[in-house]
Parts: sequence; structure tokens; C-alpha cells
Amino acid sequence: GAGVSQTPSNKVTEKGKYVELRCDPISGHTALYWYRQSLGQGPEFLIYFQGTGAADDSGLPNDRFFAVRPEGSVSTLKIQRTERGDSAVYLCASGSGGDPDTQYFGPGTRLTVL
Amino acid sequence: EDQVTQSPEALRLQEGESSSLNCSYTVSGLRGLFWYRQDPGKGPEFLFTLYSAGEEKEKERLKATLTKKESFLHITAPKPEDSATYLCAVYSGSARQLTFGSGTQLTVLP
Repeated sequence: GAGVSQTPSNKVTEKGKYVELRCDPISGHTALYWYRQSLGQGPEFLIYFQGTGAADDSGLPNDRFFAVRPEGSVSTLKIQRTERGDSAVYLCASGSGGDPDTQYFGPGTRLTVL
Repeated sequence: EDQVTQSPEALRLQEGESSSLNCSYTVSGLRGLFWYRQDPGKGPEFLFTLYSAGEEKEKERLKATLTKKESFLHITAPKPEDSATYLCAVYSGSARQLTFGSGTQLTVLP
């Protein structure tokens, strides 16, 4: 079956603009995770959804970052008033919701803030 | 706070030259240790999960082992297509997030 997909694959924006990054999880996966990866580093956790609700948003760096998953499938990560420091690869992963959960990652969205 | 440290940062091997990558961790209540492979420009690809000390798992030329303080990824007779960054991550405590190390960039020369 299809894996996790993310759109767009690349996003270039200007400082101060608003961006939305989309994630389509593996069909049937109830858990969805967002991570951020900077060059040369491992992914860093941002937020975890179980179903439609954000079960853990402790990794969101500040209130400019927000994510939704209104129907329990597709998720959107929203960044307001982007800053140059937000430039990174944003990765989405999904899992079956087990504990621990094997997380399957998408290809990521490379965000560049000029 | 959970900490995951991977070494070496980079490793160059000749084709067929076996070696090991290390992942040491300091966590409160390990519930799972994961190995992923990441190719340039792609997302991490799941390889293994280890749950308790003494556990081992194998897949083709890769073998992962786990002790109470570290995990090793052994690569036997590597091929150039094994070149990638290998990431280690832990699941611990009550959190539902993975904590990753910075990875080991492996290059296998033909």
C-alpha cells in the first residue's frame, strides 16, 4: 500500500509569511507525528495526534506553530510569521497507535525561509 | 532528560569490510529502541525495534543488538548500497515520541 505522503516537497517563503504543510498518513493509522530535522541532526519531535486530538504538543517551539487533524486522517502543520530559524525539513510519521508505536515516515517537506 | 548519542559521526568502509555503529542512551524507563536508515533527501526508513537487553534482530547484512546502556548495529560485508545515515531512537517513560540521536553517516566504497 501507499506510504506516508507529504506536500509540498519543497516550500520557499519569505520571513513573516504564513505556511501550511500537509501530511497524508498510511491508511488506517490512527497515530500521526510531526518532527523537524535540521541539517546533520536527528529528527526532533513536535506534536503527536491520536485520532483527531493532539495528545502531546510539548515539542512545538512556540505559539507560531499549530497543527490540526480534523477528521483523524490528513494533518496540516501551520506556521505563522515564519522566521529564518524555521528553515528545516519537516517530517510526518504515522503508526498504528501501539505502545511503543512503530513510526513510518514520509519524505518530508523542506522549508526555506528567506 | 533522555539522551541518545551515536558514534562515530561518520564512517567510511571498503566494500566487504564489516564494522559496527554504536548508540548509547540515557533514559528513564526504556520501552523500545529503534533503528532507522535515512538516504539523502528522504525520510527515515524503519529497520528494527528492540525492546529488552539481550535482544537481537537481523535483516540481510544488518544485525542490531541491545544492552542496558547501548545498542549496536553490526554491518557484515557491506555493499555500496548500504551507504546512508543510520539513526537510533528511543521510546521511554510515558511519552509517545521518539528521541533521536544525530546519526552515523556510513559510506561504503566499491
